[in-house]
Amino acid sequence: KAGVTQTPRYLIKTRGQQVTLSCSPISGHRSVSWYQQTPGQGLQFLFEYFSETQRNKGNFPGRFSGRQFSNSRSEMNVSTLELGDSALYLCASSLASGRALKETQYFGPGTRLLVL
Amino acid sequence: AQSVTQPDIHITVSEGASLELRCNYSYGATPYLFWYVQSPGQGLQLLLKYFSGDTLVQGIKGFEAEFKRSQSSFNLRKPSVHWSDAAEYFCAVQGAQKLVFGQGTRLTINP
Repeated sequence: KAGVTQTPRYLIKTRGQQVTLSCSPISGHRSVSWYQQTPGQGLQFLFEYFSETQRNKGNFPGRFSGRQFSNSRSEMNVSTLELGDSALYLCASSLASGRALKETQYFGPGTRLLVL
Repeated sequence: AQSVTQPDIHITVSEGASLELRCNYSYGATPYLFWYVQSPGQGLQLLLKYFSGDTLVQGIKGFEAEFKRSQSSFNLRKPSVHWSDAAEYFCAVQGAQKLVFGQGTRLTINP
C-alpha cells in the first residue's frame, strides 16, 4: 500500500505570494492532518480534516487554510506569504475509524517551503 | 492542555552502546503515546506507540519504550545503536484529532 504523498516536495516563493500544497493520504484513510515544522517552533498542528470537514484547528492566522475533497485528498493554502512561513509542511493521514483518540497518524515526506 | 517534554536536545553515543531518550508528558486522561523518527530532509516515521496494556512496547528497528504512569514518562530505549540510527526523535501524545509533539532529541552516533 502506498504511503502518504505530498506535492510538490520543494517550493520557493516570494513574500506576498500565495501557495497551495497537496496531500494524498494512504488508501482508505479518511482523516488528514497538517503540521508545520520549523527549527524555532518545532512541530505545530495546523488543522485536521475528516469527511471534507475541518474538525480541529491550531493556533495559526487565517492566512492558513485547507480543504479536503471527497476522495480524502487534501490541500492547504497559505496566502500573503511571510518570511516566517518558511518551513517543512507535513501531512499525516489516519483511518479515523471512530475511536478518535486511538488513531495512528502516518506522515508524508513533507513539502519544504522557502519564502524569500 | 497536553504537553510533551524531551529534556535532551542533543545526545551523542558510540556505535554499539545502549541508548535511552527521555520523554515526559502532561495529559489529564489515559495518554496515547508515540515515538517518531525523522532523518534529515524526510518526514516522520512511526517507531512505536502505546495505547493500553503492556507498559513495555516493542517497535521497529529494535527500539522499545516503557510507559510509566507514576512518572508521566515514556522513554525510548535501544540496547545497541547503529550508525543508521542517527536522526531526530520525537515523542508525541495524542490529543483531540491532533498530535502534540516534544521539541525532539537529535541523536549523533560516534563510530
